[in-house]
Amino acid sequence: QQQVKQSPQSLIVQKGGISIINCAYENTAFDYFPWYQQFPGKGPALLIAIRPDVSEKKEGRFTISFNKSAKQFSLHIMDSQPGDSATYFCAALNSGNTGKLIFGQGTTLQVKP
Amino acid sequence: SAVISQKPSRDICQRGTSLTIQCQVDSQVTMMFWYRQQPGQSLTLIATANQGSEATYESGFVIDKFPISRPNLTFSTLTVSNMSPEDSSIYLCSVGGRAVYNEQFFGPGTRLTVL
Repeated sequence: QQQVKQSPQSLIVQKGGISIINCAYENTAFDYFPWYQQFPGKGPALLIAIRPDVSEKKEGRFTISFNKSAKQFSLHIMDSQPGDSATYFCAALNSGNTGKLIFGQGTTLQVKP
Repeated sequence: SAVISQKPSRDICQRGTSLTIQCQVDSQVTMMFWYRQQPGQSLTLIATANQGSEATYESGFVIDKFPISRPNLTFSTLTVSNMSPEDSSIYLCSVGGRAVYNEQFFGPGTRLTVL
């Protein structure tokens, strides 16, 4: 019940296209859902996050869509660029559980020029 | 967000030895965490480093193997003890954000290889 399932494992998108990464969770106590971007040799960087009281959050080219009833959330990267090529992790947190982030398995995104 | 540094950035160690990883933050933070990221894998929480008290460990991680210190609100160490090749991983510290509750920011990581 503590798992966060992420798909696809890898994704290849053409420059200018839309990248979509999906995550699903079981634990309804989760109340914070961040996405992290990780480049090789670097630590994960917080990209965007959402709480379950909203269905969508947009920051620049990055949008989180959240479906509370389906217990699913997704990251959309609009106008994908080669510089977006990285590994993306979704995560979930229960605020009552002292900050423990549960991470998805990760998606390696390659944006082709 | 906080500026987080880790030392060393990478190390190659022999089986049976121990390595202490340092995490330094540029501002006082209440919550600090240690994660492990095995090669090509996701992140797993090892423990929460509590200032002034013992760390809280996750299932599968024990204090004898991963002792943690948190002497003040800007610094923590994680020791990987009696290492084996299975301990080869990236070890990351993270800190809770101050502006937005629940935000966590990660350090650059320490890449450990055990021979």
